[in-house]
Amino acid sequence: AQSVTQPDIHITVSEGASLELRCNYSYGATPYLFWYVQSPGQGLQLLLKYFSGDTLVQGIKGFEAEFKRSQSSFNLRKPSVHWSDAAEYFCAVGSRGGYNKLIFGAGTRLAVHP
Amino acid sequence: DAGVIQSPRHEVTEMGQEVTLRCKPISGHDYLFWYRQTMMRGLELLIYFNNNVPIDDSGMPEDRFSAKMPNASFSTLKIQPSEPRDSAVYFCASSPTTGGNQPQHFGDGTRLSIL
Repeated sequence: AQSVTQPDIHITVSEGASLELRCNYSYGATPYLFWYVQSPGQGLQLLLKYFSGDTLVQGIKGFEAEFKRSQSSFNLRKPSVHWSDAAEYFCAVGSRGGYNKLIFGAGTRLAVHP
Repeated sequence: DAGVIQSPRHEVTEMGQEVTLRCKPISGHDYLFWYRQTMMRGLELLIYFNNNVPIDDSGMPEDRFSAKMPNASFSTLKIQPSEPRDSAVYFCASSPTTGGNQPQHFGDGTRLSIL
């Protein structure tokens, strides 16, 4: 069965520091992978997606993620965090069987210290 | 282009009352998803539709919950009777076509409080 694990529930970084949020998935084939961000009181916004091809994908707001098949990982990175990046981040995997159903991880809440 | 529109944004009601949440998907999207988000359980998929037809309602917690999609531009999630444990944020999302490669677009949610 498909599953997504985000090992870190909370992460705190200083403004300007680099960031890496971890995501591991379980899926029998090459999955579709997504990162979403949720700011307080808002819905989930798509940051980036991986379908195939280049394993390093660029997203909005300066984020990038790298797909590593050997590690079943899709970690999200940002070289320099801004205070406005404080939010909850969700990794998700989609099946290739149709219907666009996504399996979401439990989320990682990011706090940014000035 | 308008995003997914949910109403109301906030709902406070007493236990036992009927609650109806509404969603207007993005025009042209033929998938619609209803999620529930709580601190304890995270983001849960309740039900989803394709071309107005319910595909999988296995996430609907109880018979008190029902969802309909009478046309391509409108869906409702109804709870009757409501209970305090139904308090959560309910999200609607939509996506185009098929193949598992289309991202879902989320509304801003309805924050539901059952007293």
